[in-house]
Amino acid sequence: NAGVTQTPKFQVLKTGQSMTLQCAQDMNHNSMYWYRQDPGMGLRLIYYSASEGTTDKGEVPNGYNVSRLNKREFSLRLESAAPSQTSVYFCASSPGTSGVPGAYNEQFFGPGTRLTVL
Amino acid sequence: AQSVSQHNHHVILSEAASLELGCNYSYGGTVNLFWYVQYPGQHLQLLLKYFSGDPLVKGIKGFEAEFIKSKFSFNLRKPSVQWSDTAEYFCAVGGSQGNLIFGKGTKLSVKP
Repeated sequence: NAGVTQTPKFQVLKTGQSMTLQCAQDMNHNSMYWYRQDPGMGLRLIYYSASEGTTDKGEVPNGYNVSRLNKREFSLRLESAAPSQTSVYFCASSPGTSGVPGAYNEQFFGPGTRLTVL
Repeated sequence: AQSVSQHNHHVILSEAASLELGCNYSYGGTVNLFWYVQYPGQHLQLLLKYFSGDPLVKGIKGFEAEFIKSKFSFNLRKPSVQWSDTAEYFCAVGGSQGNLIFGKGTKLSVKP
């Protein structure tokens, strides 16, 4: 059981370049999330997918797009990278509404992608 | 909107000292509360969680937290810290969309 995996681990981009961050989970979870972590800011939600086929904006969606490719995979795309998008990106998954009170909030995190935009 | 406040940005302790990290949340209804830990260079791991029931919850590695509804608080405690507890600690509350709303984190440095 790998849990939540993310690729790549590190990436350096030039301003204006595009890239896609990949995330996959093998826990049969319904919900998946993308966060960014910046020093002194904690983690902030970019986009989420409550279930396969749905995606919604989080707190900081500007400059990003997502695709829930199937139940396992949830990708994050930067169409035209900017230095303000330099950050560590974490993908997470959770069971979703499972009948267990509160359980749908418990999230499992991937190892992160450290992105630098020059 | 829900929010989470962690009052200490950086805490420095000596080994064997007791630890208490503060966390307050804004929402007054039913809440799901979490503490996550991030060791240097690693991803977030769940320390403990509170959904309902006994307000004193025990987690991994000797950590515990107490939910005090009247104070909107969920403080993390450990009686005796070790050097290996050096990490960043995040308090989070469950959002209505299944997401987590995080505090800004508290860095803990434990001196050997």
